[in-house]
Order: sequence, then C-alpha cells, then structure tokens
Amino acid sequence: DGGITQSPKYLFRKEGQNVTLSCEQNLNHDAMYWYRQDPGQGLRLIYYSQIVNDFQKGDIAEGYSVSREKKESFPLTVTSAQKNPTAFYLCASSNGTAYTEAFFGQGTRLTVV
Amino acid sequence: GDSVTQMEGPVTLSEEAFLTINCTYTATGYPSLFWYVQYPGEGLQLLLKATKADDKGSNKGFEATYRKETTSFHLEKGSVQVSDSAVYFCALGGAGSYIPTFGRGTSLIVHP
Repeated sequence: DGGITQSPKYLFRKEGQNVTLSCEQNLNHDAMYWYRQDPGQGLRLIYYSQIVNDFQKGDIAEGYSVSREKKESFPLTVTSAQKNPTAFYLCASSNGTAYTEAFFGQGTRLTVV
Repeated sequence: GDSVTQMEGPVTLSEEAFLTINCTYTATGYPSLFWYVQYPGEGLQLLLKATKADDKGSNKGFEATYRKETTSFHLEKGSVQVSDSAVYFCALGGAGSYIPTFGRGTSLIVHP
C-alpha cells in the first residue's frame, strides 16, 4: 500500500545535538512538507519542497534544515540552533498541484532531555 | 492570501449528541475544501472533501457541504461516539498555491 512513513516515532535529543527525522513516501508525490505541532496548537510550516533538489522556507524555518536529493525522501534536521525543539513533527506530501489534499505520516515526537 | 477560520475548542459533547464544527474560508477563486481528523499521538487523516460549490463530502457519518455564498464548510454528525474524540482540521487547496492552508484545529471530546 502507498503511504508516507516517518521514523522514529519517538526521539530524544540532548541539548546541543543535531538530530535528523526521516520522511519517506511511495505515493510518487512531487511536493513534500514539514510541519511542527505544539500542544493545543495548529500546524506551523517549517519547510516545503515541490521538486527534487529544491526547497523553500516556511513560516518557522530558523534552526531547521532539509534536503531533497530523492523524490521519495525529505529528511528534516533539527539543529542545535533551534532553542525550543520539543514538539510533534509531521511530514506530509501531495501531488504538487492546486486543489489537492495532503497525505500525512504518523509523526515524530521529539523531546529534549 | 488564503485563510481558514475554525471555531475554537474544545467542544465537549455527550455520546449520541449532534455535532457541528464551524469553518469559514477566504480564498481566491473556488478552492477545494477538506476536513482532516487527528487522533491522539497520530498524524492527520483526510476525513472528507468537496471540490466545488454545493458538493457534499461525507464519510463515517460525518458530512460537510461546500457553501460558496457563505464561504463555509461546516462539519456535522448526527450522533457522535466516544471514539470520535479527536482534533478536527478544516483546510483548503486553492489556485493561489499548491500548499494546503489549514485552520487551527478544533478539539472534540465526547463523554459516555
């Protein structure tokens, strides 16, 4: 079955470390997205990409980095510059055209210890 | 730019009560409209959608009608269950951008 997979489901980071969250899709979607969700909050867009080797900053990109070397993969790195990284991170994909829905992964919960 | 406004939660209901979650939007042209549901600790799942005015999307007893004249897409269910407890997001996909626009989400709590 086609879908979008995030790993790991839970991740713990020590202060000052970089961590990378994985996102893989086999839906043949062109567009991929990373969102951050804090308790009781909506979704905030971190980065998005419409094609391979191209990506754009979203509303809260500071302290994060991404790459899009393959169509099916869009990893997110949370750097030590992100001062408050504890959150629930959601990856999504869509076919990259207007009017269409997004498909989401199951999320990664990142906790700083 | 495009935007979606949802009623604030939490919405607290008893089992078998009627549910309405209001959603209004601002967009260029005629967007597609969506409702997503998020269960605790999980990602968002598409619940239903409508692609043109007067379309009714439906799934699992939930319904929403695309009202162009009032720019609304309210979610309704005639009899909620405890298992419907979740956060519901209204969203649109418009001509202005391929990036979907989400509302802030509305938490629904259903008591036995």
